[in-house]
Amino acid sequence: GQNIDQPTEMTATEGAIVQINCTYQTSGFNGLFWYQQHAGEAPTFLSYNVLDGLEEKGRFSSFLSRSKGYSYLLLKELQMKDSASYLCAERDSNYQLIWGAGTKLIIKP
Amino acid sequence: DAMVIQNPRYQVTQFGKPVTLSCSQTLNHNVMYWYQQKSSQAPKLLFHYYDKDFNNEADTPDNFQSRRPNTSFCFLDIRSPGLGDAAMYLCATSRRDGAYEQYFGPGTRLTVT
Repeated sequence: GQNIDQPTEMTATEGAIVQINCTYQTSGFNGLFWYQQHAGEAPTFLSYNVLDGLEEKGRFSSFLSRSKGYSYLLLKELQMKDSASYLCAERDSNYQLIWGAGTKLIIKP
Repeated sequence: DAMVIQNPRYQVTQFGKPVTLSCSQTLNHNVMYWYQQKSSQAPKLLFHYYDKDFNNEADTPDNFQSRRPNTSFCFLDIRSPGLGDAAMYLCATSRRDGAYEQYFGPGTRLTVT
């Protein structure tokens, strides 16, 4: 089956930049999503990439390299409210999402 | 505001006692999903509907069933909850089968005693 790999936990400082990486299996790839999930809450959509390159949306950017099976989420000017889990999800050829377990991001003052 | 609503937010049931979780949406989306998510784990897809076309994931236990009586509503039935079924249950919708992002409800936290 498909595997999504992302770090379990990361720590960063308020005001800094952090990059969360995600690797996936390229067979049947049909798009890559990033979601944010605060503790005890539902995931909310952040970004979608289907072509190679960087998509920028305010403080958040997402990058995709299809040949490498690699994506990252870049968060700039970190705020305390950015403390959350960030889930990478690959859409497969059947249009279903294959989810990673998420990266828990801890922001310190 | 258009949204995905789940009731109840917290549900406590006894081991083996059937329970039903509900989801409604005002987004008029074709596709509805039920996920199970345990702490620090990825959401696990249980079922999804494309309109009334029901799709059961291969590894969804028979203990779980679902109904979608109309576009707006979807139900998850757990016939005989076990301790391992304690989890967050997330309902989500999308406009087409995976072509667009999924919109999630707030989830129902199920506790089995």
